[in-house]
Amino acid sequence: EDKVVQSPLSLVVHEGDTVTLNCSYEVTNFRSLLWYKQEKKAPTFLFMLTSSGIEKKSGRLSSILDKKELFSILNITATQTGDSAVYLCASIAGGTSYGKLTFGQGTILTVHP
Amino acid sequence: KAGVTQTPRYLIKTRGQQVTLSCSPISGHRSVSWYQQTPGQGLQFLFEYFSETQRNKGNFPGRFSGRQFSNSRSEMNVSTLELGDSALYLCASSLVGHVTDTQYFGPGTRLTVL
Repeated sequence: EDKVVQSPLSLVVHEGDTVTLNCSYEVTNFRSLLWYKQEKKAPTFLFMLTSSGIEKKSGRLSSILDKKELFSILNITATQTGDSAVYLCASIAGGTSYGKLTFGQGTILTVHP
Repeated sequence: KAGVTQTPRYLIKTRGQQVTLSCSPISGHRSVSWYQQTPGQGLQFLFEYFSETQRNKGNFPGRFSGRQFSNSRSEMNVSTLELGDSALYLCASSLVGHVTDTQYFGPGTRLTVL
C-alpha cells in the first residue's frame, strides 16, 4: 500500500526563522508529489513536483524532490505568523490511480510573533 | 474563475440516517475526487468521478457512494450513518484527473453524527 510520511508532526518557531518540512514516500508507480497548506478548511495548493532535483519557488517558499531517495522538502524562509497552518504533502501514482492523492499526516507549523 | 463549492457547509445528523453532500467543480474541470478528513486518519481518498463514471475508489464501505452529473457536479451519499462518519468531507476538482493535473479543493462539509 502506498505510504507518505511527514516530519516533524509539529513545529513551533518565531517570526523570521527558516523552517524545513520533510516528506518521504513509498509509492508504487510514483508520478508526482504535491504540497498543500491548510489553515481553516480547504487545503490550498502550493507546489507540484514531478522531476527530481528541480526546485520550485514562490516567494519565501521553495520545494525540491529527490526521486532517488524518495523524499521532498518544503522550505519557508523568514517565517511570518500568517504561515501558521498545517502543511500537507501528497503523492500521485500512475496506472489506474485516477484522481487519487495519498496524503501524509501533515506538519502543524506554529509561528509566534 | 470561481473555485470549488460545496454544500452544505455544516450538517448534523443522528446515527442511522443518511446524508447527501454536493460539490460543484471549477468551470471546465471534469474530474471530481472526494476525501474524508479526520483527526485520527488524516485525509483519505473516497472515490473519483470523470464523465459521470467512477474510475477509482478508496477503501471505504459500501455505505459511501457517489455520482456525477453531466455538468460535472458531483454528490456523495452516506447511508446508515455511524458515529465514526463524523468528519470534514472535502471534494477536489481537476481538469481530467491526470497524474499531472493539480487538484483544487473546496471548503468542505463538516458532518457531525450524534
